[in-house]
Amino acid sequence: ETGVTQTPRHLVMGMTNKKSLKCEQHLGHNAMYWYKQSAKKPLELMFVYNFKEQTENNSVPSRFSPECPNSSHLFLHLHTLQPEDSALYLCASSLKGGADTQYFGPGTRLTVL
Amino acid sequence: GQNIDQPTEMTATEGAIVQINCTYQTSGFNGLFWYQQHAGEAPTFLSYNVLDGLEEKGRFSSFLSRSKGYSYLLLKELQMKDSASYLCAVSAEGNTPLVFGKGTRLSVIA
Repeated sequence: ETGVTQTPRHLVMGMTNKKSLKCEQHLGHNAMYWYKQSAKKPLELMFVYNFKEQTENNSVPSRFSPECPNSSHLFLHLHTLQPEDSALYLCASSLKGGADTQYFGPGTRLTVL
Repeated sequence: GQNIDQPTEMTATEGAIVQINCTYQTSGFNGLFWYQQHAGEAPTFLSYNVLDGLEEKGRFSSFLSRSKGYSYLLLKELQMKDSASYLCAVSAEGNTPLVFGKGTRLSVIA
């Protein structure tokens, strides 16, 4: 247990569905991250929030919409996804951004049919 | 741009020593991390180097040479449970997030 939880752990959705991924950290951190991990590719950073403010958006398609209501919670809202969006979605947190150690949640395995 | 290279796969024998290399080219440098990731699980933090030299932590050690843009992770007395992917990640300049390599999948065989 790293102190970062994610729900659901597995999700199967159709291309017309709308779903949300949830991440919660119990570490008192101020920075939170969404990553996408596909087979044989490096971890792809999607979004970064620092003190609830979005500081990075790595050219992510608008069908992925993040929300950070407070420093402990992070959501990723999904709509009209494509099959190539199937991947492991990892949430992480760190005390602050930059060179701080990141602690990862267990991930949500997403399959888009 | 940022670039991190590490071997895709390695195989080693139980009880042996293995060295996983990582080279990087980044604009600025604030430190290098190694993470371990078992299949289907989250990456977990192993080590952090920001100064040149060797950092030892039990069976695992990590080395950094900033002038060469090079690091390695050394695993001693290998155990079957060490079979995992090992991710090298670099913090570049300022407050930019970590850049991860593709990871090295290590298989430990009997």
